[in-house]
Amino acid sequence: GIQVEQSPPDLILQEGANSTLRCNFSDSVNNLQWFHQNPWGQLINLFYIPSGTKQNGRLSATTVATERYSLLYISSSQTTDSGVYFCAVEGRSSSASKIIFGSGTRLSIRP
Amino acid sequence: DGGITQSPKYLFRKEGQNVTLSCEQNLNHDAMYWYRQDPGQGLRLIYYSQIVNDFQKGDIAEGYSVSREKKESFPLTVTSAQKNPTAFYLCASSPPLGAGELFFGEGSRLTVL
Repeated sequence: GIQVEQSPPDLILQEGANSTLRCNFSDSVNNLQWFHQNPWGQLINLFYIPSGTKQNGRLSATTVATERYSLLYISSSQTTDSGVYFCAVEGRSSSASKIIFGSGTRLSIRP
Repeated sequence: DGGITQSPKYLFRKEGQNVTLSCEQNLNHDAMYWYRQDPGQGLRLIYYSQIVNDFQKGDIAEGYSVSREKKESFPLTVTSAQKNPTAFYLCASSPPLGAGELFFGEGSRLTVL
């Protein structure tokens, strides 16, 4: 089945810093999403981005489907940005018609 | 408000007992999913259903069972055959595969004593 790899696995930054999180996938996808898991375990939808670029405040995301990767940018980090960021993809082939998650990037923002 | 409701949020059970976790959605979504998350790990797919009365095994289905008798409901039973059932269980729903975003409930934390 489709493989999803996220990097880096862990990232520690000072408040105000910028960061880039990466998601690589091994096959063609119908869609790709980014989520933020807060300390209580809730998964918050950030972006639904099968291709192109989207922005929402300090966060933006770019997916280059032909090269099989997506990037999540966080600018001017705040302590509330801490948590785990997951990307999830839906494979395009019939044998991969389910949504698979990467292993996540754990982001810690220090005050 | 539309959303996904999981219950209970916390559950303690003795080893050897079956447990059923509830998941209800009022988003009119066709597809529903169950994921398992262990501490410090990612999400692994247990079962998913694209339509009523049909469901498929995910990557870690052994020791679990599901039913999809209604569009709104997708309960998960953790059976005594599941060797390590203590985990955080997340239910999600989406429009038909390929047609939209995945949304999650708040999760159910199961501890087997």
